[in-house]
Amino acid sequence: GDSVTQMEGPVTLSEEAFLTINCTYTATGYPSLFWYVQYPGEGLQLLLKATKADDKGSNKGFEATYRKETTSFHLEKGSVQVSDSAVYFCALSDQGSARQLTFGSGTQLTVLP
Amino acid sequence: DAGVIQSPRHEVTEMGQEVTLRCKPISGHDYLFWYRQTMMRGLELLIYFNNNVPIDDSGMPEDRFSAKMPNASFSTLKIQPSEPRDSAVYFCAIRDILSGNTIYFGEGSWLTVV
Repeated sequence: GDSVTQMEGPVTLSEEAFLTINCTYTATGYPSLFWYVQYPGEGLQLLLKATKADDKGSNKGFEATYRKETTSFHLEKGSVQVSDSAVYFCALSDQGSARQLTFGSGTQLTVLP
Repeated sequence: DAGVIQSPRHEVTEMGQEVTLRCKPISGHDYLFWYRQTMMRGLELLIYFNNNVPIDDSGMPEDRFSAKMPNASFSTLKIQPSEPRDSAVYFCAIRDILSGNTIYFGEGSWLTVV
C-alpha cells in the first residue's frame, strides 16, 4: 500500500538557518504530493503541492520538488523565521487509494531567535 | 476560500455521554473526510464520503463511532457512549472541486473525555 516516510523530529534551528525536512514515499500509481503545516492549536493548512514528476511546489519561501526517480519530496527553506515553528506533514494522494491522503508522521520544527 | 467550518472547536464531556461533532463545507467538493489526531497514533482516517455516500469506514475504531452526511453542506461524527481514550482532535476535510485533488482541513474539534 501507499506510505510516506518523513524525517524524524524534532528539529531545532536558529533563525535564518537553512531548513530541509526529508520525505520519501511509496505509491502504486502516480500520486500527487503535498506538504501541510500545523501551527500550535490549529488545523492543518496546505503549504504547497506538486502533481507530477519534476514539478516544484512553492509557498511562503518553502519549496519542494517532486522527484520520481528517488520517490522523494523534500521540503526546503533558505532562511527560517521564528514564525515557521510548527509541525510539518508530508502527504500523498494516489488515485488508486480513492483520493484519500496518506500522511507521514510529522516533523516538529522549532526556530529559535 | 476553500475549506470547512467545524463545531464545536473545544468540548469537554464526561465518560458515557454522547458527543456530536459537526462539519460544514464552505466550498464545492466531491469528497469529505473525517480524521482523528492523537499524539500516540498521529493522523488517522476514520471515514470518507463521495458525493454524500459513505465509501470507506474501515478506520472507524468501534461501533460507538458513527458518521452521517445527509447533504453536501453538512456532516456529523457521533460518539456514543464516549470514553476517555476518545480524547483527540477530530478534523473534517474536503477535496475541493475547483483546485483539483487538493484536500482542505477545518480547524478541528478538540475533544476531551473525562
